[in-house]
Amino acid sequence: AQRVTQPEKLLSVFKGAPVELKCNYSYSGSPELFWYVQYSRQRLQLLLRHISRESIKGFTADLNKGETSFHLKKPFAQEEDSAMYYCALKRTDKLIFGTGTRLQVFP
Amino acid sequence: GAGVSQSPSNKVTEKGKDVELRCDPISGHTALYWYRQRLGQGLEFLIYFQGNSAPDKSGLPSDRFSAERTGESVSTLTIQRTQQEDSAVYLCASSTQGPYEQYFGPGTRLTVT
Repeated sequence: AQRVTQPEKLLSVFKGAPVELKCNYSYSGSPELFWYVQYSRQRLQLLLRHISRESIKGFTADLNKGETSFHLKKPFAQEEDSAMYYCALKRTDKLIFGTGTRLQVFP
Repeated sequence: GAGVSQSPSNKVTEKGKDVELRCDPISGHTALYWYRQRLGQGLEFLIYFQGNSAPDKSGLPSDRFSAERTGESVSTLTIQRTQQEDSAVYLCASSTQGPYEQYFGPGTRLTVT
């Protein structure tokens, strides 16, 4: 069955520290993966998608098919990065979301 | 331009009552999705519309749940005979094609007492 796993419910770091939000998936096929973010009192929005191979707000995510992972990384966290982050897997016409990781960045 | 809107923003209802939740997608978006998010859990897919047809309603948890969409416009999610386990935030999203970038609404928080 297709599944997305985000093992950490909460990740707390200090400003300037590196951040890695973990995402593992199970999918029999060529996966398409996304990261969505929800800042406080804002709507859920797309952060980045693996096919674009882009860096958004300093975040990057590399698809590792061998490890079936799509971890989200940022070398130097900022306080404004504090939010809920959801990893999502495209399955036919819909997205399968993970349970989310709350990132707290302390000053 | 206007984003996805949902109404009501909050709904408190008694167990056994029916509720109707509304979603107004972004104009021109052909695809529309409903999700449910229970406290402490991820987004749970409910149903997907392409135009006014629903090719995938596999996520609807029971026959108490139904949804319809008028053309490429408003969608309503109806929950009949609500139960306490239906308490959740119901999110709607729309996209121009497929699920590549979904634009989410603010959600409706449903509380069944």
